[in-house]
Amino acid sequence: GENVEQHPSTLSVQEGDSAVIKCTYSDSASNYFPWYKQELGKRPQLIIDIRSNVGEKKDQRIAVTLNKTAKHFSLHITETQPEDSAVYFCAASGWPGNQFYFGTGTSLTVIP
Amino acid sequence: DTGVSQDPRHKITKRGQNVTFRCDPISEHNRLYWYRQTLGQGPEFLTYFQNEAQLEKSRLLSDRFSAERPKGSFSTLEIQRTEQGDSAMYLCASSLGRSGKPDEKLFFGSGTQLSVL
Repeated sequence: GENVEQHPSTLSVQEGDSAVIKCTYSDSASNYFPWYKQELGKRPQLIIDIRSNVGEKKDQRIAVTLNKTAKHFSLHITETQPEDSAVYFCAASGWPGNQFYFGTGTSLTVIP
Repeated sequence: DTGVSQDPRHKITKRGQNVTFRCDPISEHNRLYWYRQTLGQGPEFLTYFQNEAQLEKSRLLSDRFSAERPKGSFSTLEIQRTEQGDSAMYLCASSLGRSGKPDEKLFFGSGTQLSVL
């Protein structure tokens, strides 16, 4: 099955700086890559996703890039704010099973 | 609340007891997933349903775990003879699951936190 690896496991940045979280996957059949944000004690929330026919997608301060050849994708958060502090998970999914495989998470702390 | 709902939010049980959790997906969603999450880890797949059919079950899933979705709406997850290692957050998620559409957005419930003493 698919294996998703995520780095780093923890990340601290100063407010206003950028944060980058990287994930790799193993199954070339994976074609959908969502990112989830999970605040303490709350459910994972989808923040951005990208499909395999797209190399980059942006939504305000958040962007995701995908390199299908290298089988890796990254989350970029610019102008970080304290409310960005949370655990971020990447995931990979592919047809026909539409199974979602998650990374182990990155705990992001934005220091005011 | 029109999101995914789970009940109960917390469950404390003694080792050896059976527990059952319920998940109500978003009403028009055909696909329903169960995940398990322990502290510091990402959600780990347990099983998923397309309507009432259970299409896949993790090989890591013990025979003590069983899930149902009898009418294609809500689902239950039962753990028999609970062990301390079963202590975790059990998350339910749902997606539209349209035929021929592989990349549906997954929406999570708030989870059931299980503690086995």
